[in-house]
Amino acid sequence: DVKVTQSSRYLVKRTGEKVFLECVQDMDHENMFWYRQDPGLGLRLIYFSYDVKMKEKGDIPEGYSVSREKKERFSLILESASTNQTSMYLCASRELGRNYGYTFGSGTRLTVV
Amino acid sequence: AQTVTQSQPEMSVQEAETVTLSCTYDTSESDYYLFWYKQPPSRQMILVIRQEAYKQQNATENRFSVNFQKAAKSFSLKISDSQLGDAAMYFCAYRSPPSGNTPLVFGKGTRLSVIA
Repeated sequence: DVKVTQSSRYLVKRTGEKVFLECVQDMDHENMFWYRQDPGLGLRLIYFSYDVKMKEKGDIPEGYSVSREKKERFSLILESASTNQTSMYLCASRELGRNYGYTFGSGTRLTVV
Repeated sequence: AQTVTQSQPEMSVQEAETVTLSCTYDTSESDYYLFWYKQPPSRQMILVIRQEAYKQQNATENRFSVNFQKAAKSFSLKISDSQLGDAAMYFCAYRSPPSGNTPLVFGKGTRLSVIA
């Protein structure tokens, strides 16, 4: 089975810190995604990447950046964390051309204080 | 832009009963995929069922089935013989075109409680 691993399950950071959320998948998937999940708002797309070094903005990219230097790893970066970025962050991957939906990581709950 | 609407933020069902979760979507495309995902308290998102728009037959996976009404742009999920383990957040999702790199668009979710 495809496995998507997010490096931290819970994370607490201070306002203004630079925060890295890491996501690694082990099945050579081309597509990787970062979503943010908030109560009552569902999952909102932050960024996605369809190949190494390629990235596309999603619906809410402000305050975030991403890095994909290797196919298996997709990092979400909060350049200067703010309290309104306190949320659950979900990473997902998908093999190009396959239509079985995503494989998700188990999420990182980030609290910015 | 495509949108997905889940009009029921919360629902509850008695154990062993049947419940239907609603989902509508807005699109001008004719070829797309629809999905239902389950997120239990463990937070792990699990694919429950998917439906290809070109297929008229409703998808079924054990106790889970969908009612896909393409003209009405409706995609409801029916859970039969509800079990305590069905308690979770359920998200409806859409994707078009079926191939390529386009991301899933999710609804806001429905929290399902199962009463023993």
